[in-house]
Amino acid sequence: EPEVTQTPSHQVTQMGQEVILRCVPISNHLYFYWYRQILGQKVEFLVSFYNNEISEKSEIFDDQFSVERPDGSNFTLKIRSTKLEDSAMYFCASSKRVNEQFFGPGTRLTVL
Amino acid sequence: AQKVTQAQTEISVVEKEDVTLDCVYETRDTTYYLFWYKQPPSGELVFLIRRNSFDEQNEISGRYSWNFQKSTSSFNFTITASQVVDSAVYFCALLRFNGGSQGNLIFGKGTKLSVKP
Repeated sequence: EPEVTQTPSHQVTQMGQEVILRCVPISNHLYFYWYRQILGQKVEFLVSFYNNEISEKSEIFDDQFSVERPDGSNFTLKIRSTKLEDSAMYFCASSKRVNEQFFGPGTRLTVL
Repeated sequence: AQKVTQAQTEISVVEKEDVTLDCVYETRDTTYYLFWYKQPPSGELVFLIRRNSFDEQNEISGRYSWNFQKSTSSFNFTITASQVVDSAVYFCALLRFNGGSQGNLIFGKGTKLSVKP
């Protein structure tokens, strides 16, 4: 069964560094999402993406964040200058229809 | 505002006990979807069920069952004869449509279930 994949599974970075988290959505899906989960807390929506543009973003998704679909398969989340509070699990999701979302296994980002 | 409340932060049961996880939601939409996800210690989000607002039939899948009641805005999840492998954090979520053709999930804070042998 096709699934969403994410790399790396764990990323450690220094404060102020740029990170790129990568996701490969399910191949025939059209809608893409990023969510974040700070350790021990709930999962929070960051951004949704459709037709090569952001369709919605939350207030968490400030100018430090950007998303891109650089080719036909990858969907990336870039954090330009990481802060300690960006440490979290980042989940990518994709869907073919609006009423479903399939999550990847997550990337744990640790900012030191 | 749309919101999901999981009032139970942590529940601890002994194996073979039945346990119910509560979920109360708020929305003004007439069409909406509700979800349950399981997050085991390994961290991934495992999809369990999706229900739409027009289908109030209860659902059973093996030891899992769900009780959807629009009158009380609740979508509760029961595990019958719990097992140690059920130990996880369980999230209830509401799909919020953004007015276009896409939506995003609003999650509750989760309930951590510990099943002891």
